[in-house]
Amino acid sequence: KAGVTQTPRYLIKTRGQQVTLSCSPISGHRSVSWYQQTPGQGLQFLFEYFSETQRNKGNFPGRFSGRQFSNSRSEMNVSTLELGDSALYLCASSPETGGAWNEQFFGPGTRLTVL
Amino acid sequence: GENVEQHPSTLSVQEGDSAVIKCTYSDSASNYFPWYKQELGKRPQLIIDIRSNVGEKKDQRIAVTLNKTAKHFSLHITETQPEDSAVYFCAAIYSGSARQLTFGSGTQLTVLP
Repeated sequence: KAGVTQTPRYLIKTRGQQVTLSCSPISGHRSVSWYQQTPGQGLQFLFEYFSETQRNKGNFPGRFSGRQFSNSRSEMNVSTLELGDSALYLCASSPETGGAWNEQFFGPGTRLTVL
Repeated sequence: GENVEQHPSTLSVQEGDSAVIKCTYSDSASNYFPWYKQELGKRPQLIIDIRSNVGEKKDQRIAVTLNKTAKHFSLHITETQPEDSAVYFCAAIYSGSARQLTFGSGTQLTVLP
């Protein structure tokens, strides 16, 4: 199976702009989670989607939003970009079997730089 | 919410020696504890995980132990090799019904040849 893919891999934006990142999960995986990785804060959970519904949300401002499509592909959007939003954004997909927690498979990430 | 603390932040060992990384968690309801390895410029990859109904799990040179009473778990790497050099993250699931992983701050492991 193909792994988790993310596009674009690199992105440079300026403050105040908005950005949309895309994630395609492993075929058959219906859960997609998003994380922000920075040197200072480590890996922080943004939100998780399952069957087009947001099931969980981390402690990020409303400028961060996401959605999931019927084919399980997911997008996240950041509006009114700030310098502190510069980070590696990782998505991870997971199968859903029997309600138990399953391994998350990470994508390569999108490196966002805000100038 | 869940809080995961990880120590040490950096660890250097000689090739062939063992490495131990420790994590503590705060939410007693957490029941799944994965460990991820992230090489420079690459994605995190699961190397081993343990569920709360198990005290220890081993996979070749890697083992994880869990002490539910003390709420801490550890990663043990034996016979370290230069390719083990990477950042290692521990994590815990926040609660039984959520799908939110809380990560530790990471340990930069360097294996010196």
